[in-house]
Amino acid sequence: EAGVVQSPRYKIIEKKQPVAFWCNPISGHNTLYWYLQNLGQGPELLIRYENEEAVDDSQLPKDRFSAERLKGVDSTLKIQPAELGDSAVYLCASSSSGTGSYNEQFFGPGTRLTVL
Amino acid sequence: GEDVEQSLFLSVREGDSSVINCTYTDSSSTYLYWYKQEPGAGLQLLTYIFSNMDMKQDQRLTVLLNKKDKHLSLRIADTQTGDSAIYFCAEKIRSASKIIFGSGTRLSIRP
Repeated sequence: EAGVVQSPRYKIIEKKQPVAFWCNPISGHNTLYWYLQNLGQGPELLIRYENEEAVDDSQLPKDRFSAERLKGVDSTLKIQPAELGDSAVYLCASSSSGTGSYNEQFFGPGTRLTVL
Repeated sequence: GEDVEQSLFLSVREGDSSVINCTYTDSSSTYLYWYKQEPGAGLQLLTYIFSNMDMKQDQRLTVLLNKKDKHLSLRIADTQTGDSAIYFCAEKIRSASKIIFGSGTRLSIRP
């Protein structure tokens, strides 16, 4: 079974440029998450999707960040314009479903973004 | 608020046991997790424990939960070089499918 796929793995851009990250979750997983991981920190949730619907985007900085999951499968996270402080690893994860289960989340390898 | 805290570093000798500790603040947590992250990789679930349990053992891993003190620990028996990684403690908040992660403990192995 293929795991969570993310691309690109690395991205270097200049500040004020736009950038986009792509994620393909494990087949059949309804729930998709985008996390931000700063150096030396744990992942912090940016947005959670249940199928096509964003059910928790309270931590997403909506002035510059946007996300979509149009067909309830793969997802794109965009930053426009990027700032120096956005340099981090952006992790995508997916899980099968349910608030009642132990809800194992499967993580992709992440995209490491460097903003110069 | 929700917070999970861990010590940043742990160094153990190969073959010894490693014990990684974590404290959390949300008393309504339903599940608590230990994730492992190797360099350049995403997080991988190692083990989890339901909040009404106080111990779980899985091969070389033993999880202890003290719900009164909101303290979680992970013991790795017979630590090997392949156990070198960052270990994240995490809690699932009852009210949502939301998991809060600690900052991670970097485990290094001495020969």
